[in-house]
Amino acid sequence: QVQLVESGGGLVNPGGSLRLSCVGSGFTFGGHYMSWIRQTPGKRPEWVSYMSSSSDYIVYGDSVRGRFTVSRDNARNSLYLQMNGLRVEDSAVYYCARGSSFSGLDTWGQGILVTVSS
Amino acid sequence: EDVLTQSPGTLSLSPGERATLSCRASQSVERRKFSWYQQKPGQAPRLLIYGASNRADGIPDRFSGGVSGTDFTLTISRLEPEDFAVYYCQQWDGSRFTFGRGTTVDI
Repeated sequence: QVQLVESGGGLVNPGGSLRLSCVGSGFTFGGHYMSWIRQTPGKRPEWVSYMSSSSDYIVYGDSVRGRFTVSRDNARNSLYLQMNGLRVEDSAVYYCARGSSFSGLDTWGQGILVTVSS
Repeated sequence: EDVLTQSPGTLSLSPGERATLSCRASQSVERRKFSWYQQKPGQAPRLLIYGASNRADGIPDRFSGGVSGTDFTLTISRLEPEDFAVYYCQQWDGSRFTFGRGTTVDI
């Protein structure tokens, strides 16, 4: 079945770095736009980044632009999020999701927890 | 100012009743790029409606989406026990996705 699985989360000090990975299965990964979204308990989801299937279109949310970098390796069915200069307010559950602005985000991973704290 | 304003914040209903959720955009929104999601505790959001009125794969036909100008609605015709959850609207404005604050549908 169609599935996304995130990994790489954990506890990191403020100012530190972390790299999240998302592996897709059950579908042609290279044919889909992908996003990262994060969410803190009781709050609405916050979109982080959006990437085209061929990596030629990438956009970031205002709160992470310049600190986070999204990339993908279609041969490995993988999406990545390199997070540098982490702040306490970056603490959240991070989801990867498949889909475009037209199709909606139709498949989500189970989420991975990132905690930024000293 | 929120780009998407959802109302009400909480909707208290019983199984079998009809639920009408609202999402008002502060600016013009391409209806093709508007979606609704359902989220239950401990789970990722689930796509219900895309393109303002198209049901996603596997979504029961008791869920429907509509739009009038910048006012979007999600209607659940007859609430089932599994429908009690938080619902978010979302839009793409050409450079970012934004989500509304959500409507909780509870018993």
